[in-house]
Amino acid sequence: QKEVEQNSGPLSVPEGAIASLNCTYSDRGSQSFFWYRQYSGKSPELIMSIYSNGDKEDGRFTAQLNKASQYVSLLIRDSQPSDSATYLCAVKFWGGKLIFGQGTELSVKP
Amino acid sequence: ETGVTQTPRHLVMGMTNKKSLKCEQHLGHNAMYWYKQSAKKPLELMFVYSLEERVENNSVPSRFSPECPNSSHLFLHLHTLQPEDSALYLCASSQAQSTGDTQYFGPGTRLTVL
Repeated sequence: QKEVEQNSGPLSVPEGAIASLNCTYSDRGSQSFFWYRQYSGKSPELIMSIYSNGDKEDGRFTAQLNKASQYVSLLIRDSQPSDSATYLCAVKFWGGKLIFGQGTELSVKP
Repeated sequence: ETGVTQTPRHLVMGMTNKKSLKCEQHLGHNAMYWYKQSAKKPLELMFVYSLEERVENNSVPSRFSPECPNSSHLFLHLHTLQPEDSALYLCASSQAQSTGDTQYFGPGTRLTVL
């Protein structure tokens, strides 16, 4: 089992729709969770961090965490073509190591 | 300069060359990281320095040699690389032991080994 698993996509949504990105992880002791966005040829940039079960909203982005199910997701409301990128889920495992998923490629069609 | 900077942004080298990658962080952080990103693969952690001491070496071949002279600077010395070492090399920094310990990335160095 991969330590941090994401669907590689591509995930294609029409402009204005909700994009839903999912991530599962293997370490039950994990406490810190991050979503990064990476445009082609660029470095990852932090979108959101989440540490507690439930939802965390920041503008059009909502992160959802369910530690019992070892599941974290990112919702993007009113998706824009500029949101087209690869989204990386990162989980801080027990011991402090940050493990990245392989990323989900999102394409928002005008 | 703000955030995390890396030089050079692009590097082409032969297998017998020696080169160095440089990273500098302007965030006042106390931990720095080297990652390798190859096409279609997850980010791979290579080295971690916390308070200028190496705390992790992820079974990286000895042809990669890190150096952290102070908390703001990190180098990756390269010698006798292989073509499969061609990748995007990313530096990151964080405030270790802080809540979340969020890592912030530099723009990366695109390395091509001929």
